[in-house]
Amino acid sequence: ETGVTQSPTHLIKTRGQQVTLRCSSQSGHNTVSWYQQALGQGPQFIFQYYREEENGRGNFPPRFSGLQFPNYSSELNVNALELDDSALYLCASSSGTHTSSYNEQFFGPGTRLTVL
Amino acid sequence: SQQGEEDPQALSIQEGENATMNCSYKTSINNLQWYRQNSGRGLVHLILIRSNEREKHSGRLRVTLDTSKKSSSLLITASRAADTASYFCATEAFTGANSKLTFGKGITLSVRP
Repeated sequence: ETGVTQSPTHLIKTRGQQVTLRCSSQSGHNTVSWYQQALGQGPQFIFQYYREEENGRGNFPPRFSGLQFPNYSSELNVNALELDDSALYLCASSSGTHTSSYNEQFFGPGTRLTVL
Repeated sequence: SQQGEEDPQALSIQEGENATMNCSYKTSINNLQWYRQNSGRGLVHLILIRSNEREKHSGRLRVTLDTSKKSSSLLITASRAADTASYFCATEAFTGANSKLTFGKGITLSVRP
C-alpha cells in the first residue's frame, strides 16, 4: 500500500507568480484535504475534495484553487503569490464518505514553498 | 483561525520522565485528535478521542477529554529521545456535508537523553 506523496518537496517562487502543488492520495482513498502551515503555526485548512468536487473550504482567498482527478490525486494552485504564502503545504487523504463518520486522515510529507 | 490552544508551548524533559500536554478548544466538536510532527514534515496521527469518550489509551499514550471544560490532555509515559517532536491537537467538527480538522499552534517537546 502506497502512502500519500507530494511533489515537489521544495519550491522557490517570486511574488506574483503562480504555483501548482501535487498530491497523490493513498490507495483506496477518495477524499483529499489541503492545509497550509506557516512557520511556528499549526496547519490551517484550505479546502477538501471528495470525488472530484470541492467539499468545504477554509478562510482562504479565491486565488487558492484546487482540482481532484478521477484517480483521486489532487492539485493545489495558488495564483498571484504573496510573501505570506510561504509555508509548508500539506495534503491528507482519507476514505471519507463526507458524512458524519470519522475516517483517519493520512498526511503527506508536505511541500515547502518559499516566496521571495 | 485556530481552535485548539496547546499548553505549554514548549516542554523539555529527561528521558524516562512523563510528558503532559494540554489542549483547550472553543466550540463543540465530534472528536479531538493528537498528531506528531518531526522537523516540519508530515503529520503522524497518534490518537483520537470521540466527544462521548473521557479517556483513551494507546501504548505509552493516554488522552483525556473533558467536554464541559473544552479541554484535553495528552500524556506520554516513559518518554524517549525519539519522542522529541512537535505535538498538535486538532478538533474535528462536521458541518453539513464535510468535515475539517482545526489545529492548535502546537507544543515543542524536547526529550533529553
